[in-house]
Amino acid sequence: AQSVTQLDSQVPVFEEAPVELRCNYSSSVSVYLFWYVQYPNQGLQLLLKYLSGSTLVKGINGFEAEFNKSQTSFHLRKPSVHISDTAEYFCAVSDQGQGGKLIFGQGTELSVKP
Amino acid sequence: EAQVTQNPRYLITVTGKKLTVTCSQNMNHEYMSWYRQDPGLGLRQIYYSMNVEVTDKGDVPEGYKVSRKEKRNFPLILESPSPNQTSLYFCASRPQGFGANVLTFGAGSRLTVL
Repeated sequence: AQSVTQLDSQVPVFEEAPVELRCNYSSSVSVYLFWYVQYPNQGLQLLLKYLSGSTLVKGINGFEAEFNKSQTSFHLRKPSVHISDTAEYFCAVSDQGQGGKLIFGQGTELSVKP
Repeated sequence: EAQVTQNPRYLITVTGKKLTVTCSQNMNHEYMSWYRQDPGLGLRQIYYSMNVEVTDKGDVPEGYKVSRKEKRNFPLILESPSPNQTSLYFCASRPQGFGANVLTFGAGSRLTVL
């Protein structure tokens, strides 16, 4: 079974500052990794995913994440945030089977202040 | 537009009054799932369906029922709602297949049980 831990429940940051949202996972098998974003009063949308290949994954809106197998981490980064990045971010993991169930972390609330 | 549609978006009801939250997708996806989102707990899977007439329990199925009579629809039924089912509910779908674990989410249904 897999599990996901998002290490920060809230991250306040000033506009144009860099940000890192931390995610650690545990699994006994190979996994796929995802970051989803939830803007206020909306559903979740995919930010980026790691399936295989390069460990540095680029997503939408200037976000990127790095898969680190030895540290079982998949931290999300952005070099310069905007007010519009204020949202809740969810890290998720699934095994690589066809019916792989998606397991979500607890979420990190990113608050960008002017 | 490819989407997952949930109704109602907001509902206030009373303990014991049966209700149904509908979910419909127009992407011909085989897999559909229901999640509930609670503060500090992330998203937890209630039920999922791999295809028509195939449903299975997720992590928190107690107090819920589902059915999958048609590929596009996956309603969530609360036969006798209780206050601990007050939550934000999301329906999601995806195609089957390896590496296809990217879910498309509905906009959410906020349910309050008094």
